[in-house]
Amino acid sequence: DAGVIQSPRHEVTEMGQEVTLRCKPISGHNSLFWYRQTMMRGLELLIYFNNNVPIDDSGMPEDRFSAKMPNASFSTLKIQPSEPRDSAVYFCASRLFGQGFTEAFFGQGTRLTVV
Amino acid sequence: KNEVEQSPQNLTAQEGEFITINCSYSVGISALHWLQQHPGGGIVSLFMLSSGKKKHGRLIATINIQEKHSSLHITASHPRDSAVYICAVRSREGGSEKLVFGKGTKLTVNP
Repeated sequence: DAGVIQSPRHEVTEMGQEVTLRCKPISGHNSLFWYRQTMMRGLELLIYFNNNVPIDDSGMPEDRFSAKMPNASFSTLKIQPSEPRDSAVYFCASRLFGQGFTEAFFGQGTRLTVV
Repeated sequence: KNEVEQSPQNLTAQEGEFITINCSYSVGISALHWLQQHPGGGIVSLFMLSSGKKKHGRLIATINIQEKHSSLHITASHPRDSAVYICAVRSREGGSEKLVFGKGTKLTVNP
């Protein structure tokens, strides 16, 4: 398996533009997480899905952020409109939920720069 | 106060030294993770444990549930071990899947 695949790896955009980050979880995993990493706050959970259903989005900063998981093999995190303070590395991770303790596997991350 | 505290924040060692990174947490947990973030940014899960001790190669992770403390040890450290090591705990409350992360420990191993 290729692991969790995120795209793009790097994104530079202007303030006010819409940004869409993509994630393909490991095949067979039914739990997907979006994290954000900044120097100031470290890693933070934004939202997670179990079986394509959003379970907890309390970490989503504000209404400018939205996440979808239309099927088991794809998820998006959208920021509209983007702001410079959204600049961070966004990680997607997946795991197999419901089988006791299982590890989460992380994607390589998307480095977002909003100028 | 952060729910997960790591120490030290930064650690510099000479190749071959024995290294210990500590993690203390203040919430009830169902599992604790040790993650490694490479200089390129990728994150790899090293260990997931809920009790006792696990060993993988030169890496050893221990957890003391009563004391709410975990340690990550690296024996015979090598420059390729240079990375940020992150402790994360999975809260026990309400079947939560949330991971709460420490700020990380930046390890530099010099040749």
